[in-house]
Amino acid sequence: EADIYQTPRYLVIGTGKKITLECSQTMGHDKMYWYQQDPGMELHLIHYSYGVNSTEKGDLSSESTVSRIRTEHFPLTLESARPSHTSQYLCASSVDRGQETQYFGPGTRLLVL
Amino acid sequence: GESVGLHLPTLSVQEGDNSIINCAYSNSASDYFIWYKQESGKGPQFIIDIRSNMDKRQGQRVTVLLNKTVKHLSLQIAATQPGDSAVYFCAENRGYSTLTFGKGTMLLVSP
Repeated sequence: EADIYQTPRYLVIGTGKKITLECSQTMGHDKMYWYQQDPGMELHLIHYSYGVNSTEKGDLSSESTVSRIRTEHFPLTLESARPSHTSQYLCASSVDRGQETQYFGPGTRLLVL
Repeated sequence: GESVGLHLPTLSVQEGDNSIINCAYSNSASDYFIWYKQESGKGPQFIIDIRSNMDKRQGQRVTVLLNKTVKHLSLQIAATQPGDSAVYFCAENRGYSTLTFGKGTMLLVSP
């Protein structure tokens, strides 16, 4: 069982607000990831990190930003939320030893009004 | 943004039956594949993985088969139970420690 946490689990917010989705893992994993997933759809990689001070953009263009100041923490920020940002956001981590298995958090479901 | 996944393939089985979920992958250079199970309201959960130097791998009640010739992956679940009802995703290693996920198959198990 993976120890990876996301907060909040659900968020309803108005257009134009700044939001930060939190993700923390206690496994000491070097690599962390953010995915966006609409209901019934596949996961799309939006950001990832190889370790502290490393951030990369994924496949899906996203207006969000991420930071990796500590190994265990990988927050995602939207400076100005819009209804098109409504989706589920999933955080994952993996160990950097030639194994690509990613372990996922429970997700944050975001609704922007 | 949000959209309705009306096109999600669905497999309906009776409890106790064996289930087979299929996945076609895109990159012939992929060397690692994973099956995930996602229950409603939860994040994906690791089920089983397989490397490209293998054709078959077995776990508890699950078997993954890999056919590299036709770039096809399957997940077999033996004696399917209602608790197996979920959406199942295959994922392939795309390099740089990132995964590409397939579109998912919903498995519905009726008692």
